Amino acid sequence: NAGVTQTPKFQVLKTGQSMTLQCAQDMNHEYMSWYRQDPGMGLRLIHYSVGAGITDQGEVPNGYNVSRSTTEDFPLRLLSAAPSQTSVYFCASKSDRGRYEQYFGPGTRLTVT
Amino acid sequence: KNEVEQSPQNLTAQEGEFITINCSYSVGISALHWLQQHPGGGIVSLFMLSSGKKKHGRLIATINIQEKHSSLHITASHPRDSAVYICAVIRRGGSQGNLIFGKGTKLSVKP
Repeated sequence: NAGVTQTPKFQVLKTGQSMTLQCAQDMNHEYMSWYRQDPGMGLRLIHYSVGAGITDQGEVPNGYNVSRSTTEDFPLRLLSAAPSQTSVYFCASKSDRGRYEQYFGPGTRLTVT
Repeated sequence: KNEVEQSPQNLTAQEGEFITINCSYSVGISALHWLQQHPGGGIVSLFMLSSGKKKHGRLIATINIQEKHSSLHITASHPRDSAVYICAVIRRGGSQGNLIFGKGTKLSVKP
């Protein structure tokens, strides 16, 4: 199993550009989520999904869109990038069957200039 | 006030020392995670616990639900233990996957 994969690893955007951060998992996990990690702050939940076709907002959803058309994939879209979205983004997944551990992707470091 | 507080923020130890990292939380929880983030940035789950104590190798995690407190202990610390250790909780009644994170404890173990 590849686990949770994220692409790209690094990205530089100009203000106003759009892009999609990709996340995929091959463990057939129902639950997937996106977090951002900023210096001096804990990871914060952006959006999450409890299964294909079901998404919901987390703590900091503004400026981000998500969709979940398949169990495997959970892309995060930045519609119009802003410098405040400069961060490291982590995707995670877990089985919905009980209190199982979360598996994290390697992260995407995004800089918006 | 943060719902999950960790202490200390930074910790430097000599190889072989016994290390304790503390986590206090202010919400009702259904489970607590201890995570490790290496300098390269990857995050791995060390423990998930809802009561008592768990041990894996040189790592021990304990939780006291009544006191809303958890500790992560590392025995016989080694430079390879240098990492950021993160406490995260699942709020009781919340989605099982939605974690609330502490800010992390940066551990540096000197040879």
